[in-house]
Amino acid sequence: QVQLQESGPGLVRPSETLSLECSVSGSSLSNDYYWGWIRQPPGKGLQWIGNIYHSGTTYYNPSLKSRLTMSVDTSRNHFSLQLDSVTAADTAVYYCARLIYTGYGKRCFDYWGQGALVTVSS
Amino acid sequence: DIQMTQSPPFVSASVGDSVTITCRASQGITDWLAWYQHKQGKAPKLLIFAASTLQSGVPSRFSGTGSGTDFTLTITRLQPEDSATYYCQQGYTFPGGFTFGPGTKVDVK
Repeated sequence: QVQLQESGPGLVRPSETLSLECSVSGSSLSNDYYWGWIRQPPGKGLQWIGNIYHSGTTYYNPSLKSRLTMSVDTSRNHFSLQLDSVTAADTAVYYCARLIYTGYGKRCFDYWGQGALVTVSS
Repeated sequence: DIQMTQSPPFVSASVGDSVTITCRASQGITDWLAWYQHKQGKAPKLLIFAASTLQSGVPSRFSGTGSGTDFTLTITRLQPEDSATYYCQQGYTFPGGFTFGPGTKVDVK
């Protein structure tokens, strides 16, 4: 059974760096999937943050690209998110997810973590 | 960027009713469209991919249609557990540039 679990600080000060990890079980990061981050600010909808492949190739949301770094650690089967210079607008529930793309029509997130609330506040 | 819109933003219906949600892309995305169900405090759940293919384990009360720019999600025989927010997501720009619709909240009375 595929499971993803986000972890990281729940409170980050403005102008600092938000860091989250996603631990994956039941599916190897080295297999033929991408891995993604999605967030949901309070009272708003889902926003795609970025995708990463096990090779380390990344694709970022243009609106976050200048502040965003994603990385993958296949030896520990986890991937990470770093968002620099955060403001209150970055307060959100952050989800990690598996992006399936092999097979007809499959370019979507089939397994998600439960989400981690990150609040940006002093 | 491909923009996704959804309508209506909110719908209220009774148990046993049917509802249809519309999703529109700002440019053609063939059938690279997925639908998700999201309940408060839970992980979003993939319902449909390729615009009309039901994900394994999803009840047949859910169905999707469309291609190009216009898509629909229909839920028949509504159940109380169908109360959730439903999002569409385009994967045409894979492996990056994904976008979600703004969501449609469904309230089943």
